[in-house]
Amino acid sequence: LAKTTQPISMDSYEGQEVNITCSHNNIATNDYITWYQQFPSQGPRFIIQGYKTKVTNEVASLFIPADRKSSTLSLPRVSLSDTAVYYCLVGFSGSARQLTFGSGTQLTVLP
Amino acid sequence: AAGVIQSPRHLIKEKRETATLKCYPIPRHDTVYWYQQGPGQDPQFLISFYEKMQSDKGSIPDRFSAQQFSDYHSELNMSSLELGDSALYFCASSLGVDRGVEKLFFGSGTQLSVL
Repeated sequence: LAKTTQPISMDSYEGQEVNITCSHNNIATNDYITWYQQFPSQGPRFIIQGYKTKVTNEVASLFIPADRKSSTLSLPRVSLSDTAVYYCLVGFSGSARQLTFGSGTQLTVLP
Repeated sequence: AAGVIQSPRHLIKEKRETATLKCYPIPRHDTVYWYQQGPGQDPQFLISFYEKMQSDKGSIPDRFSAQQFSDYHSELNMSSLELGDSALYFCASSLGVDRGVEKLFFGSGTQLSVL
């Protein structure tokens, strides 16, 4: 399973764009990159998923360079309610049904 | 839309007691995962089931066991509870990796407190 590395914490202000980068140097060919958001005492919530280049949905964008050894989650115009822990996960290859959470990034949005 | 249902929401037990946590996946989801999250910790994978068969095993203690039933709901059984078992236990479900890329949907969790 690919190991991921993220910053432990980030601070931002309301209305700013936030970019959280995740390193996954040993990503496998068949692995996808998925980001989850977790609020205190709640289950993680799926944000976005991608394989290469750029993916955008209604809440975020995901940028993946050609070598796929890192990825960047971009949150446009954050608000106070975006304060949460963000996890980058890499998988699945083959039939593995084990999604491993690494250490996430605590994003704090300030007024 | 239907979500993953976990029960109970809160559970208080004494040391050495047993506990059973239940998880009802999203309809038509065939894979269930269990995670343990201690205070200030990241979610730790315990075990997963696909089509009622154990699929993968993580850092699940021998005192814990789990199964997935014919209606796809799953139960996590915990015996000889220890203080260190106090944590938030999440269940997640998905359509299974055979249908493409995995996307997990998590329940709200069961907060277990062992006194």
